[in-house]
Amino acid sequence: AQSVTQPDIHITVSEGASLELRCNYSYGATPYLFWYVQSPGQGLQLLLKYFSGDTLVQGIKGFEAEFKRSQSSFNLRKPSVHWSDAAEYFCAVGANSGGSNYKLTFGKGTLLTVNP
Amino acid sequence: EPEVTQTPSHQVTQMGQEVILRCVPISNHLYFYWYRQILGQKVEFLVSFYNNEISEKSEIFDDQFSVERPDGSNFTLKIRSTKLEDSAMYFCASSAETQYFGPGTRLLVL
Repeated sequence: AQSVTQPDIHITVSEGASLELRCNYSYGATPYLFWYVQSPGQGLQLLLKYFSGDTLVQGIKGFEAEFKRSQSSFNLRKPSVHWSDAAEYFCAVGANSGGSNYKLTFGKGTLLTVNP
Repeated sequence: EPEVTQTPSHQVTQMGQEVILRCVPISNHLYFYWYRQILGQKVEFLVSFYNNEISEKSEIFDDQFSVERPDGSNFTLKIRSTKLEDSAMYFCASSAETQYFGPGTRLLVL
């Protein structure tokens, strides 16, 4: 069964500082990988995804993530954080069955606080 | 930009009552999903639906739950007899390849 670990429950950074949110997954084959962001009281917005190909993927709002098969990781990065990035971030893995129908397994999330 | 919509945004019900949560997926998507998030916990998969039938369901999705696509646009989740532990945010998602989530319905069972 697939699983996702986000080791950091809460991270605080200063505005303008760089950010890295960690995600490790467990899955027997190459997975589909995703990062979603959730602002308070809101739904889940897709930041970026990895299906195949280039292991460094670019997303919205200046975020990027790198798939490292050897480390079973898919860490999210941003070079300069803005106050509006304060939210909860979820890493998710989908079973790569070669089809478009797959369930997502989510990590527990990392809450990001941005200090002015 | 097309988006998944969900109604109602909030619902309060008494234990034992039936609730129906509604979703309008993105129009050209073929795969539909329900997830839930209990307060303070992670998002959990409930069920996936394709070609008018359930393709996968979790152990959470017991006989109290059902899904239906009654027409060409709506996708519903019914909880037949709600329990206190059904209180959660319920998210609908649809996909052609990537899953896009609706804003959720917050269900409170009293």
